[in-house]
Amino acid sequence: GAVVSQHPSRVICKSGTSVKIECRSLDFQATTMFWYRQFPKQSLMLMATSNEGSKATYEQGVEKDKFLINHASLTLSTLTVTSAHPEDSSFYICSARVETGGYTFGSGTRLTVV
Amino acid sequence: AQKVTQAQTEISVVEKEDVTLDCVYETRDTTYYLFWYKQPPSGELVFLIRRNSFDEQNEISGRYSWNFQKSTSSFNFTITASQVVDSAVYFCALSEGWGGSYIPTFGRGTSLIVHP
Repeated sequence: GAVVSQHPSRVICKSGTSVKIECRSLDFQATTMFWYRQFPKQSLMLMATSNEGSKATYEQGVEKDKFLINHASLTLSTLTVTSAHPEDSSFYICSARVETGGYTFGSGTRLTVV
Repeated sequence: AQKVTQAQTEISVVEKEDVTLDCVYETRDTTYYLFWYKQPPSGELVFLIRRNSFDEQNEISGRYSWNFQKSTSSFNFTITASQVVDSAVYFCALSEGWGGSYIPTFGRGTSLIVHP
């Protein structure tokens, strides 16, 4: 089945630094990928839609300069959390739509900013 | 308005009990998909089932079963003879549009705790 690989699974960074999270579709091409954020004990909230070869579409309230999304190829989307602060600590999950319908999700990245 | 409602925030059961997780959805589309995902403590989302709006047949997969009722806009999930390994957060999600073309909207999730 369609698999999305997400790395790293966990990252701890210092406040003020930037962190890059990668999301790769392993056995299919994903022209569109999605990035979600999940706070502890809460649901998944869509942050942005990543489109290959074009700008990402951000949901209302999501700072595009804070969360930089790049979708440079049909199999790779990256989310960079710039100048991270403790309030950015969260669980980030990427997703891609598969041709047969439905969506496949990465394993998630737990970001802790100290 | 919330499109997917999971009214049960947390359910606690003892092993071997049956448990039903409720999901009520809201949509004006006639074509949509409903999903259930399991999120164990490790965090990854595990796909459990996808059901399209034209298929109201209930489904059973081992100890899992799903009851889809369009009349009440519900897509409930039952675990029979629960086990400790079933402990996780379960999310119901709705994807509207033909072929589920619109990205899923998730409910708040129900945390299931199965005690030995």
